[in-house]
Amino acid sequence: DTAVSQTPKYLVTQMGNDKSIKCEQNLGHDTMYWYKQDSKKFLKIMFSYNNKELIINETVPNRFSPKSPDKAHLNLHINSLELGDSAVYFCASSQDRDRGYSNYGYTFGSGTRLTVV
Amino acid sequence: LAKTTQPISMDSYEGQEVNITCSHNNIATNDYITWYQQFPSQGPRFIIQGYKTKVTNEVASLFIPADRKSSTLSLPRVSLSDTAVYYCLVGDMIYNQGGKLIFGQGTELSVKP
Repeated sequence: DTAVSQTPKYLVTQMGNDKSIKCEQNLGHDTMYWYKQDSKKFLKIMFSYNNKELIINETVPNRFSPKSPDKAHLNLHINSLELGDSAVYFCASSQDRDRGYSNYGYTFGSGTRLTVV
Repeated sequence: LAKTTQPISMDSYEGQEVNITCSHNNIATNDYITWYQQFPSQGPRFIIQGYKTKVTNEVASLFIPADRKSSTLSLPRVSLSDTAVYYCLVGDMIYNQGGKLIFGQGTELSVKP
């Protein structure tokens, strides 16, 4: 199935730990993103990568480090986890912006619910 | 990027037509209007996108007046499965400056039997 898939779906961990969330898309898209959705349901962009190059970093703490080994993968590594990092993290992808108007928008993964205890 | 305002919540009954209006007074010339749907425990899903007048697909219709300062998402004959949060977004989808979507608080639609 063509999709954006992220793993794990659920992640429960203790404060201070380091964890990673993986994301893969097989849609052939050039741009990938990480979004964070907090308990109030607001979706905020964290990072954007275009062809493995970082193009957006929305004042996210240095503890968050995205890694894009190729344009089909964008992983998120989080160091020294804090209680406030608890949220649902969504990976997304889209067509290259320079290709012009796309009528299909962005495709999101199903999310990773991170709980820090 | 233009800010959007939409109702926080709406209630409807099965079989009714639902119209959700979004205000975007400072929309720019290159901005497109896009609507997403999010079910609980899922990521947002693209519904429809338009620039002006009316756009229709198999899921919904999007009405955009000439001044483009607002838009209305129309869901025909809703069912219980249409219960979700609906987000209105406005942004430059052609040149995609910055390449990011700005989500507002969305409209929580509750469809009752």
